Amino acid sequence: ESVLTQSPGTLSLSAGERATLHCRASQFAPSNYLAWYQQKPGQPPRLLIHRASNRATVTPDRFSGSGSGTDFTLTISRLEPEDSGMYYCHQYGSSPLLGFGGGTKVEIK
Amino acid sequence: DVQLVQSGAEVRKPGESLEISCKTSGYSFSDYWIVWVRQMPGKGLEWMGIINPGDSDTRYNASFQGHVTISADTSINTAYVRWSSLTASDTAMYYCARPVRPNWGFDALEIWGQGTMVTVSS
Repeated sequence: ESVLTQSPGTLSLSAGERATLHCRASQFAPSNYLAWYQQKPGQPPRLLIHRASNRATVTPDRFSGSGSGTDFTLTISRLEPEDSGMYYCHQYGSSPLLGFGGGTKVEIK
Repeated sequence: DVQLVQSGAEVRKPGESLEISCKTSGYSFSDYWIVWVRQMPGKGLEWMGIINPGDSDTRYNASFQGHVTISADTSINTAYVRWSSLTASDTAMYYCARPVRPNWGFDALEIWGQGTMVTVSS
C-alpha cells in the first residue's frame, strides 16, 4: 500500500484567500492516478479532482489540481465559506498502490 | 439519477454478526465495481475492498481480509459487507462508492452512498 502524506494538517485562511494543499505519495503514481475529495461533517466524501488535474463534473473551477509522480497539489484559488471541511488525497490504479492520505482540515476564518 | 442508498445504522455486541447493504439505481449494476471504505470516528478513509458484481470477482485490503466478506446480488442491484464476529474496533462509518469508469475497480470514486454507522459495544 502506498503511504500518502498530506500537509499541512490544518489550514486556516480567510474567505477570498488562496489555499494550497499538498499530498506526497511513497510510491510513484503511474498515469497520475491521484484524486482529491472534500468531506464535510456528517457527509460522505465528494470527488473534486481525478487523475491529478481533471475536475469532476460538478467541481467549481476555483478548485484545481496539479503535480505528477509522487508530489501533488490541490489549489483553491479564492476560498468561499462553503469550502471549509476535510480534504483527502487518494492514490489509485492498482491494488498495491491504493491508499488515502490522512487529510487536511481547511478552516475559513 | 445514479444513487447508492445504504442500510441504516446498526448497534451490535462484540461477537455478533452483521450484514450491511448498498442498493444502487440509475445505472447498470454489473458494469461498475463497488468499493467499500471505512472511516473510524474522527479518522480518515480506508479502502476495505472491491467487488465486480458482473462476475463476483472480489479483492480485499490485506488489513480486512478474513474479517469481512463482500458480496453482491445482481437480481436486486445491491452490494453487501458481512461480519461473522464483530469487535469493538469495527465501530465506524462504512461507505460504498462507485468508480468513475465502468469495468475498473481501482479508479477514483465518483458516487458515494450516504454511509452506514456501525457501533459495536457491550
